[in-house]
Amino acid sequence: NAGVTQTPKFQVLKTGQSMTLQCAQDMNHNSMYWYRQDPGMGLRLIYYSASEGTTDKGEVPNGYNVSRLNKREFSLRLESAAPSQTSVYFCASSSDRTQETQYFGPGTRLLVL
Amino acid sequence: LAKTTQPISMDSYEGQEVNITCSHNNIATNDYITWYQQFPSQGPRFIIQGYKTKVTNEVASLFIPADRKSSTLSLPRVSLSDTAVYYCLVVVGNYGQNFVFGPGTRLSVLP
Repeated sequence: NAGVTQTPKFQVLKTGQSMTLQCAQDMNHNSMYWYRQDPGMGLRLIYYSASEGTTDKGEVPNGYNVSRLNKREFSLRLESAAPSQTSVYFCASSSDRTQETQYFGPGTRLLVL
Repeated sequence: LAKTTQPISMDSYEGQEVNITCSHNNIATNDYITWYQQFPSQGPRFIIQGYKTKVTNEVASLFIPADRKSSTLSLPRVSLSDTAVYYCLVVVGNYGQNFVFGPGTRLSVLP
């Protein structure tokens, strides 16, 4: 059981470039989430998916798009990266949204120059 | 949207009990309160979750007063390996559409 996996671990982009962060979970969870964590800060929710086929905006969705490809996979796309999107991105999953015991991946460190 | 506050940092010595309080105004009746632990360069890890009164598991206890405007994470007999950042998370709404993480408390355990 790998839990929640994220790729890549680290990425450097130039302003205006695009990229997709991948996330997969093998726990058969219904709900998946994307957060960003800026240095010395807490986590802020970007998007979430309550179940396969649905996605909703979180606190800071601007500049991002997501795709819930299937029950296992939830990707985050930056269409035109900006320096303000330099952050660590965490994917998480949970079986029951109401209970909200979330299991987090190891994170992707993104640097936008 | 519920807002949470936590102490920025705390120091403790090995073997002591540590209590970290999170204040959360405007929390709705059906919200759970969850605490996570985060080590550097890792994702947060679930510690404990509760709705009211007291919850205990093998690593921590969670105290929630009747007014539910705060919650206290209690770590018994901390060790050096408990040095980490601790976050409270409040879920707002029946469908959990708003997740509000606290700013985090950096706990340093000294020998």
